[in-house]
Amino acid sequence: EPEVTQTPSHQVTQMGQEVILRCVPISNHLYFYWYRQILGQKVEFLVSFYNNEISEKSEIFDDQFSVERPDGSNFTLKIRSTKLEDSAMYFCASTEGAGQGQPQHFGDGTRLSIL
Amino acid sequence: RKEVEQDPGPFNVPEGATVAFNCTYSNSASQSFFWYRQDCRKEPKLLMSVYSSGNEDGRFTAQLNRASQYISLLIRDSKLSDSATYLCVVILNSGGYQKVTFGTGTKLQVIP
Repeated sequence: EPEVTQTPSHQVTQMGQEVILRCVPISNHLYFYWYRQILGQKVEFLVSFYNNEISEKSEIFDDQFSVERPDGSNFTLKIRSTKLEDSAMYFCASTEGAGQGQPQHFGDGTRLSIL
Repeated sequence: RKEVEQDPGPFNVPEGATVAFNCTYSNSASQSFFWYRQDCRKEPKLLMSVYSSGNEDGRFTAQLNRASQYISLLIRDSKLSDSATYLCVVILNSGGYQKVTFGTGTKLQVIP
Protein backbone atom coordinates (compact mmCIF):
# COMPACT_ATOMS: atom_id res chain seq x y z
CA GLU A 1 0.00 0.00 0.00
CA PRO A 2 1.45 3.44 -0.92
CA GLU A 3 2.44 5.55 2.03
CA VAL A 4 3.63 8.99 3.01
CA THR A 5 7.27 8.98 4.04
CA GLN A 6 9.06 11.51 6.22
CA THR A 7 12.71 12.18 6.93
CA PRO A 8 14.48 12.39 9.24
CA SER A 9 12.69 10.38 11.89
CA HIS A 10 14.41 12.40 14.61
CA GLN A 11 16.07 15.80 14.32
CA VAL A 12 18.00 17.44 17.14
CA THR A 13 18.82 21.10 16.60
CA GLN A 14 20.19 23.99 18.60
CA MET A 15 17.80 26.84 19.32
CA GLY A 16 18.03 29.53 16.67
CA GLN A 17 19.10 27.16 13.92
CA GLU A 18 17.14 26.50 10.77
CA VAL A 19 15.63 23.07 10.23
CA ILE A 20 14.03 21.46 7.17
CA LEU A 21 11.65 18.55 7.54
CA ARG A 22 11.03 16.46 4.47
CA CYS A 23 8.01 14.56 3.25
CA VAL A 24 7.23 12.48 0.19
CA PRO A 25 3.44 12.34 -0.20
CA ILE A 26 1.63 9.51 -1.94
CA SER A 27 2.39 9.89 -5.63
CA ASN A 28 -1.09 10.59 -7.02
CA HIS A 29 -2.09 12.88 -4.16
CA LEU A 30 -2.52 16.57 -4.83
CA TYR A 31 -3.17 18.10 -1.41
CA PHE A 32 -0.52 18.25 1.27
CA TYR A 33 -0.60 19.16 4.92
CA TRP A 34 1.68 19.66 7.88
CA TYR A 35 0.63 19.11 11.49
CA ARG A 36 2.45 19.19 14.76
CA GLN A 37 1.84 17.41 18.05
CA ILE A 38 3.52 18.60 21.19
CA LEU A 39 4.08 15.70 23.58
CA GLY A 40 0.89 14.87 25.43
CA GLN A 41 -1.20 17.32 23.44
CA LYS A 42 -3.51 17.10 20.45
CA VAL A 43 -2.59 17.10 16.80
CA GLU A 44 -2.64 20.69 15.53
CA PHE A 45 -3.03 21.84 11.94
CA LEU A 46 -0.22 24.00 10.58
CA VAL A 47 -0.73 24.45 6.85
CA SER A 48 -2.34 23.04 3.74
CA PHE A 49 -0.82 23.24 0.28
CA TYR A 50 -2.23 22.73 -3.19
CA ASN A 51 -1.11 23.63 -6.68
CA ASN A 52 2.16 25.06 -5.41
CA GLU A 53 0.63 27.47 -2.97
CA ILE A 54 -0.63 27.61 0.57
CA SER A 55 -4.38 27.04 0.82
CA GLU A 56 -4.70 27.78 4.50
CA LYS A 57 -2.49 28.22 7.52
CA SER A 58 -3.11 28.32 11.23
CA GLU A 59 -2.00 30.90 13.76
CA ILE A 60 0.90 28.65 14.66
CA PHE A 61 2.29 28.95 11.13
CA ASP A 62 3.95 32.34 11.53
CA ASP A 63 6.76 33.98 9.57
CA GLN A 64 9.27 31.50 10.95
CA PHE A 65 7.60 28.71 8.98
CA SER A 66 7.56 28.08 5.26
CA VAL A 67 6.63 25.22 2.97
CA GLU A 68 7.85 24.28 -0.43
CA ARG A 69 7.41 21.63 -3.07
CA PRO A 70 10.84 21.89 -4.68
CA ASP A 71 10.27 19.06 -7.15
CA GLY A 72 7.54 16.63 -8.15
CA SER A 73 7.87 14.43 -5.11
CA ASN A 74 9.09 16.29 -2.03
CA PHE A 75 7.14 18.57 0.27
CA THR A 76 9.20 20.39 2.88
CA LEU A 77 8.57 22.36 6.04
CA LYS A 78 11.23 24.86 7.03
CA ILE A 79 11.52 26.51 10.41
CA ARG A 80 13.88 29.46 10.08
CA SER A 81 15.00 30.16 13.63
CA THR A 82 13.89 27.41 15.94
CA LYS A 83 12.62 28.01 19.46
CA LEU A 84 12.41 25.60 22.38
CA GLU A 85 8.63 25.49 21.98
CA ASP A 86 9.02 24.13 18.44
CA SER A 87 9.95 20.77 19.98
CA ALA A 88 7.21 18.40 18.83
CA MET A 89 6.31 15.62 16.43
CA TYR A 90 5.68 16.97 12.96
CA PHE A 91 3.40 14.97 10.71
CA CYS A 92 2.95 15.34 6.98
CA ALA A 93 -0.29 14.18 5.40
CA SER A 94 -1.70 14.02 1.91
CA THR A 95 -5.02 13.46 0.20
CA GLU A 96 -5.92 12.62 -3.36
CA GLY A 97 -8.58 15.31 -3.45
CA ALA A 98 -10.21 17.78 -1.10
CA GLY A 99 -13.75 16.55 -1.51
CA GLN A 100 -16.06 15.13 1.06
CA GLY A 101 -15.07 11.78 2.49
CA GLN A 102 -11.40 11.95 1.54
CA PRO A 103 -9.31 10.73 4.49
CA GLN A 104 -5.87 12.08 5.20
CA HIS A 105 -2.94 9.71 5.06
CA PHE A 106 -0.16 10.46 7.52
CA GLY A 107 3.56 9.90 7.45
CA ASP A 108 5.19 8.43 10.52
CA GLY A 109 6.45 11.81 11.64
CA THR A 110 9.65 13.63 12.49
CA ARG A 111 10.45 14.15 16.13
CA LEU A 112 12.03 17.59 16.43
CA SER A 113 14.00 18.29 19.58
CA ILE A 114 15.27 21.82 20.13
CA LEU A 115 18.10 22.22 22.65
CA ARG B 1 -17.27 25.29 23.14
CA LYS B 2 -14.20 23.51 21.79
CA GLU B 3 -14.26 22.78 18.07
CA VAL B 4 -13.97 19.05 18.59
CA GLU B 5 -14.36 17.61 22.04
CA GLN B 6 -13.65 14.15 23.37
CA ASP B 7 -13.53 12.60 26.81
CA PRO B 8 -9.78 12.13 27.33
CA GLY B 9 -10.24 8.99 29.44
CA PRO B 10 -8.39 6.83 30.14
CA PHE B 11 -10.89 4.06 29.65
CA ASN B 12 -9.57 0.92 31.32
CA VAL B 13 -11.58 -2.10 30.18
CA PRO B 14 -11.08 -5.87 30.42
CA GLU B 15 -10.48 -7.94 27.32
CA GLY B 16 -13.73 -8.87 25.65
CA ALA B 17 -15.58 -5.79 26.90
CA THR B 18 -17.55 -3.39 24.76
CA VAL B 19 -16.51 0.24 24.97
CA ALA B 20 -17.94 3.38 23.41
CA PHE B 21 -16.32 6.73 22.75
CA ASN B 22 -18.09 9.97 22.01
CA CYS B 23 -17.09 13.11 20.19
CA THR B 24 -18.92 16.39 19.71
CA TYR B 25 -18.14 19.10 17.21
CA SER B 26 -19.13 22.73 17.11
CA ASN B 27 -19.22 23.62 13.40
CA SER B 28 -22.50 22.42 11.92
CA ALA B 29 -21.11 22.92 8.39
CA SER B 30 -18.59 20.11 8.91
CA GLN B 31 -18.94 17.48 6.24
CA SER B 32 -16.55 14.59 6.76
CA PHE B 33 -15.84 12.61 9.88
CA PHE B 34 -13.28 10.00 10.73
CA TRP B 35 -11.90 7.99 13.59
CA TYR B 36 -8.15 7.56 13.73
CA ARG B 37 -6.14 5.60 16.24
CA GLN B 38 -2.77 6.72 17.50
CA ASP B 39 -0.31 4.53 19.31
CA CYS B 40 2.16 6.14 21.68
CA ARG B 41 4.55 8.42 19.77
CA LYS B 42 3.30 7.17 16.41
CA GLU B 43 1.36 8.78 13.60
CA PRO B 44 -2.45 8.82 13.48
CA LYS B 45 -3.74 5.88 11.44
CA LEU B 46 -7.13 5.89 9.79
CA LEU B 47 -9.50 3.53 11.55
CA MET B 48 -12.70 4.27 9.72
CA SER B 49 -14.81 6.92 8.08
CA VAL B 50 -18.09 7.87 9.70
CA TYR B 51 -21.20 7.99 7.54
CA SER B 52 -24.58 9.46 8.31
CA SER B 53 -26.22 6.06 8.07
CA GLY B 54 -23.72 4.54 10.48
CA ASN B 55 -21.15 2.01 9.41
CA GLU B 56 -19.48 -1.09 10.72
CA ASP B 57 -16.07 -2.63 10.15
CA GLY B 58 -15.66 -5.88 11.99
CA ARG B 59 -15.77 -5.15 15.72
CA PHE B 60 -15.97 -1.40 15.15
CA THR B 61 -19.14 0.60 14.61
CA ALA B 62 -19.25 4.32 13.95
CA GLN B 63 -22.30 6.55 14.16
CA LEU B 64 -22.94 10.16 13.19
CA ASN B 65 -25.74 12.32 14.51
CA ARG B 66 -25.69 15.56 12.55
CA ALA B 67 -28.58 17.09 14.45
CA SER B 68 -26.74 16.72 17.76
CA GLN B 69 -23.29 17.21 16.18
CA TYR B 70 -22.13 14.02 17.75
CA ILE B 71 -20.00 11.10 16.58
CA SER B 72 -19.49 7.80 18.32
CA LEU B 73 -17.26 4.76 18.06
CA LEU B 74 -18.19 1.41 19.53
CA ILE B 75 -15.63 -1.35 19.94
CA ARG B 76 -16.94 -4.81 20.67
CA ASP B 77 -14.95 -7.73 22.08
CA SER B 78 -11.97 -5.54 22.97
CA LYS B 79 -8.52 -6.95 22.30
CA LEU B 80 -5.25 -6.03 23.98
CA SER B 81 -4.13 -4.65 20.62
CA ASP B 82 -6.96 -2.12 20.71
CA SER B 83 -5.07 -0.21 23.42
CA ALA B 84 -4.35 3.19 21.87
CA THR B 85 -5.64 6.74 21.75
CA TYR B 86 -8.68 7.20 19.52
CA LEU B 87 -8.88 10.50 17.68
CA CYS B 88 -12.04 12.04 16.36
CA VAL B 89 -11.37 14.04 13.19
CA VAL B 90 -13.80 16.52 11.73
CA ILE B 91 -13.32 18.05 8.30
CA LEU B 92 -14.84 21.07 6.69
CA ASN B 93 -14.43 21.03 2.93
CA SER B 94 -14.05 24.63 1.93
CA GLY B 95 -12.79 26.44 -1.14
CA GLY B 96 -10.94 23.45 -2.53
CA TYR B 97 -9.14 22.38 0.60
CA GLN B 98 -9.86 20.54 3.80
CA LYS B 99 -10.01 22.31 7.14
CA VAL B 100 -9.14 19.50 9.52
CA THR B 101 -9.70 19.57 13.25
CA PHE B 102 -8.58 16.83 15.60
CA GLY B 103 -10.09 16.05 18.96
CA THR B 104 -7.77 15.65 21.91
CA GLY B 105 -8.23 11.89 21.78
CA THR B 106 -9.61 9.26 24.13
CA LYS B 107 -7.13 6.85 25.61
CA LEU B 108 -8.14 3.19 25.79
CA GLN B 109 -6.30 0.60 27.83
CA VAL B 110 -7.49 -2.98 27.45
CA ILE B 111 -6.49 -5.07 30.42
CA PRO B 112 -5.87 -8.84 30.32
